[in-house]
Amino acid sequence: DAGVIQSPRHEVTEMGQEVTLRCKLISGHNSLFWYRQTMMRGLELLIYFNNNVPIDDSGMPEDRFSAKMPNASFSTLKIQPSEPRDSAVYFCASSPGTGGPNTGELFFGEGSRLTVL
Amino acid sequence: AQRVTQPEKLLSVFKGAPVELKCNYSYSGSPELFWYVQYSRQRLQLLLRHISRESIKGFTADLNKGETSFHLKKPFAQEEDSAMYYCALKATNYGGSQGNLIFGKGTKLSVKP
Repeated sequence: DAGVIQSPRHEVTEMGQEVTLRCKLISGHNSLFWYRQTMMRGLELLIYFNNNVPIDDSGMPEDRFSAKMPNASFSTLKIQPSEPRDSAVYFCASSPGTGGPNTGELFFGEGSRLTVL
Repeated sequence: AQRVTQPEKLLSVFKGAPVELKCNYSYSGSPELFWYVQYSRQRLQLLLRHISRESIKGFTADLNKGETSFHLKKPFAQEEDSAMYYCALKATNYGGSQGNLIFGKGTKLSVKP
């Protein structure tokens, strides 16, 4: 298994443009997490899904951010319109269900580095 | 409030020296704690979890509920241990189902030759 796959790895865009980040979960995992990493705030949870259902989106900064999970293996994080303060590394992580040997472990993608000019 | 604090942004030691990366947490229930590591140009990955009581790559971490700490220790640091280390707390959530992790801001460990 290639693990959690994120795209694009790097994105440079101008303020006001729409940005879409993509994530493919590890097969068989049923929880999906989006984190944002900045120097100032470290790793912050934006939103997470359990069995395709959003469980907690209290970390989503504002209405400009939206996330979807159209099927069990894929998720998108969209920013529209983007602003310079959105510049960060966005990580996607997936997790297997409870009860197994990896309960509680998050498997991270390599991240998408976003720069908004 | 559920919170994880890593007081040191950067920790620099010489090869062979002992290392301790500090982590304190704030949590009202019974905590479940983890250490994650990110080596240069690699993805963030689990190093160890407190419920396993294991030693990984020579690292150990003991949960001290009295001091609300989960410090990561290694008696003899190696250059390949240089990385970013994150302490994480499994958060409670609605209905007690699979929850997210709350991360500290991380400590960058630099092991010099």
